[in-house]
Amino acid sequence: QSVLTQPPSVSGAPGQRVTISCTGSSSNIGAGYDVHWYQQVPGTAPKLLIYGNNNRPSGVPDRFSGSKSGTSASMAITGLQAEDEADYYCQSYDSPLSDWVFGGGTKLTVL
Amino acid sequence: QVQLVQSGAEVKKPGASVKVSCKASGYTFTSYYFHWVRQAPGQGLDWMGIINPSGGSTRYAQKFQGRVTMTTDTSTSTLYMELISLKSEDTAIYYCARVRYYESTGYNDYWGQGTLVTVSS
Repeated sequence: QSVLTQPPSVSGAPGQRVTISCTGSSSNIGAGYDVHWYQQVPGTAPKLLIYGNNNRPSGVPDRFSGSKSGTSASMAITGLQAEDEADYYCQSYDSPLSDWVFGGGTKLTVL
Repeated sequence: QVQLVQSGAEVKKPGASVKVSCKASGYTFTSYYFHWVRQAPGQGLDWMGIINPSGGSTRYAQKFQGRVTMTTDTSTSTLYMELISLKSEDTAIYYCARVRYYESTGYNDYWGQGTLVTVSS
């Protein structure tokens, strides 16, 4: 049971827009802690996609965007491409636990 | 360029211990904290703890308290994660990941390639 809740799977056709939600609580996202997102292609290490809720590292296409509101965050992918098929994880910090926490992950399927 | 190179796969018996290494290069080693994160087969990411290479201070996730030890060797820019009293449930890929801070929280900008630890009798 992850502290941050993500949908197990989402899907979309090439060119479409998909969003992945990340729901936390008043002890993590709702407490003002930033949310970060990672992409993991099966068999490889996670890769940073979004940091600080809505910032993209150099090299990440602007098709990827993030937002945060209240106790939740979300990441959107526009112009879906076959190469976007991967697992996506959100990450934040939980103050009572004093731990970093991850969402359970969302598998994106490009139809 | 920043590189994190981890040690090779390990096979251990239940009750044994394992020590995974992560050698960093391409930046000043003591300038950034590190996380260790593990991923069981087909499962999500699980945060294990954090270490400050400058001084060696650590904080471990409660579920690993008493079984995990994270250390660094600044002379070789290498981090170590030792897990004792291994159980089959510890079978996982173990990652080291550099921590960068953005306002209130840290995120992982570089990751090692992962080390598969298999616990089996």
